[in-house]
Amino acid sequence: DAGVTQSPTHLIKTRGQQVTLRCSPKSGHDTVSWYQQALGQGPQFIFQYYEEEERQRGNFPDRFSGHQFPNYSSELNVNALLLGDSALYLCASSFGYDEKLFFGSGTQLSVL
Amino acid sequence: KQEVTQIPAALSVPEGENLVLNCSFTDSAIYNLQWFRQDPGKGLTSLLLIQSSQREQTSGRLNASLDKSSGRSTLYIAASQPGDSATYLCAAEHQAGTALIFGKGTTLSVSS
Repeated sequence: DAGVTQSPTHLIKTRGQQVTLRCSPKSGHDTVSWYQQALGQGPQFIFQYYEEEERQRGNFPDRFSGHQFPNYSSELNVNALLLGDSALYLCASSFGYDEKLFFGSGTQLSVL
Repeated sequence: KQEVTQIPAALSVPEGENLVLNCSFTDSAIYNLQWFRQDPGKGLTSLLLIQSSQREQTSGRLNASLDKSSGRSTLYIAASQPGDSATYLCAAEHQAGTALIFGKGTTLSVSS
């Protein structure tokens, strides 16, 4: 049984560019949450998708957007990248939005 | 606004020692408290989840306790091993299905 898978594992971008990160939830899960983890910090909640809708959102600017597809996979898009967007981006899935989260290994984004 | 603090930020112990990691939270009205392990550059692995109605949870050499009234949780690791070296994060969930609020973690190093 595959767990939560994220792609790519590493990514290097330049300031001002746009990036798309992808997440496939654990089999049977229908809810996807995204977190940003800066170096030396705990993860911070970006947003959560359930039934293809953004169910809740953290304190992140509109440059951060997402999408959930009918197969429950999800994308995180970041526009107009800033140096401060460099971080590990973690995807987590659950069966139902109020159930235990399972995390993927993350995508390490470096913005130069 | 919920804030989660973990002390100490780093800890080094020789193999075989028993140790305690601390987590404090400012809002005692939590739904649950969860402990995670994170290896360098990797995702999060859930270790123990304590519901608000529970006092403690145990898994193998790990024991986590929760005292809502004092806003504290502890993770006890018995007979530490080099393989326990990692960063340990605690996270509070305010209501079911809401975002996890993480501390910055305690980085544990166990030497053989």
